[in-house]
Amino acid sequence: SQTIHQWPATLVQPVGSPLSLECTVEGTSNPNLYWYRQAAGRGLQLLFYSVGIGQISSEVPQNLSASRPQDRQFILSSKKLLLSDSGFYLCAHGRGLYEQYFGPGTRLTVT
Amino acid sequence: EDQVTQSPEALRLQEGESSSLNCSYTVSGLRGLFWYRQDPGKGPEFLFTLYSAGEEKEKERLKATLTKKESFLHITAPKPEDSATYLCPEVDAGNMLTFGGGTRLMVKP
Repeated sequence: SQTIHQWPATLVQPVGSPLSLECTVEGTSNPNLYWYRQAAGRGLQLLFYSVGIGQISSEVPQNLSASRPQDRQFILSSKKLLLSDSGFYLCAHGRGLYEQYFGPGTRLTVT
Repeated sequence: EDQVTQSPEALRLQEGESSSLNCSYTVSGLRGLFWYRQDPGKGPEFLFTLYSAGEEKEKERLKATLTKKESFLHITAPKPEDSATYLCPEVDAGNMLTFGGGTRLMVKP
């Protein structure tokens, strides 16, 4: 079975600090991987997706970046966090384009 | 691009009171109709994909159906643990899922 891990579960960071969130997937090879952000009471916003190692597509211009150094590893980063970066960050892997399976998420608070 | 509208925004039911959620769509070439469930503080959970009118899928107390214009998620004899937000995402022009606010279902014991 496929399992998706995210860490950390919660994070409190000051404005201007760097960010690194990691997502790993087990039990599948060459998955489509996605990073979403959800603000409180809102729908999910797709940030990045990847169809393979080193292949990253950005959906929304922002101060975030993503990398995929290994087949089943997806990293979300920022050099300097903004208050508006606060939210619930979800990693997902896809079976096909539309059947997606989500990780437990990271709740980020920027202070 | 598929355009999908969910209704109602919120629904309160008593335990055991069956009801339906609606997802209507306006697109000529549907690439699929998807249902997800999201619990507070968690990521969405994939439930069903429906591809053609007349198709039905079931999981426990949930049954999803599809017509040429809309999909229904029927909830039979709901329990408090069925309380969640049910999502019917669109497929955008880039073939990505777009998740809206969904329907917030609250089932009271």
